[in-house]
Amino acid sequence: DQQVKQNSPSLSVQEGRISILNCDYTNSMFDYFLWYKKYPAEGPTFLISISSIKDKNEDGRFTVFLNKSAKHLSLHIVPSQPGDSAVYFCAALRSGSNYKLTFGKGTLLTVNP
Amino acid sequence: GAVVSQHPSWVICKSGTSVKIECRSLDFQATTMFWYRQFPKQSLMLMATSNEGSKATYEQGVEKDKFLINHASLTLSTLTVTSAHPEDSSFYICSARAWNDQNIQYFGAGTRLSVL
Repeated sequence: DQQVKQNSPSLSVQEGRISILNCDYTNSMFDYFLWYKKYPAEGPTFLISISSIKDKNEDGRFTVFLNKSAKHLSLHIVPSQPGDSAVYFCAALRSGSNYKLTFGKGTLLTVNP
Repeated sequence: GAVVSQHPSWVICKSGTSVKIECRSLDFQATTMFWYRQFPKQSLMLMATSNEGSKATYEQGVEKDKFLINHASLTLSTLTVTSAHPEDSSFYICSARAWNDQNIQYFGAGTRLSVL
């Protein structure tokens, strides 16, 4: 039973355009969400996070949107750069408990020059 | 962000031997560290939660006698794969909870284990 789902295994965008990566979750107890970027044979790098008390969080080119009623979040990257090409993982947790992260399967983003 | 160092990055061993992987938080103290395993083209699967000074908590289906975890200090956790077999070949990644936001985990670079 996958509690965090990233239904698009891959996404390809042109440099300079917007990349939108989507994530859905089923567990209503999740109240904190994170996005990680991962290159092959490396550990994930933390990008941005959002608490369920917010619906938007922005950090430079990265913005995460949360729609609690739809149990959906998205990561927007604007403008996209070739160096953004990587696998992006969405993760969720229930804060204040055991802080265990539940990951989606990831979306491979390719930004073409 | 916080720096987590993992060593070695790649290890090849013979079947039946044991392999130790180290995970260090370099610029902060981590009372809790986590160990994950990733299969090719799959997501990260949590294996166990490592708590400083106490026994690790293992996820369902993970053999605690196979994957020994020690968290003897606030900056070091180790994972020992005992009597490794080819099916243990995988990518192992550790993480540590941030000191300033316990919801965020920072990850090491991972260890590629190949058992011949």
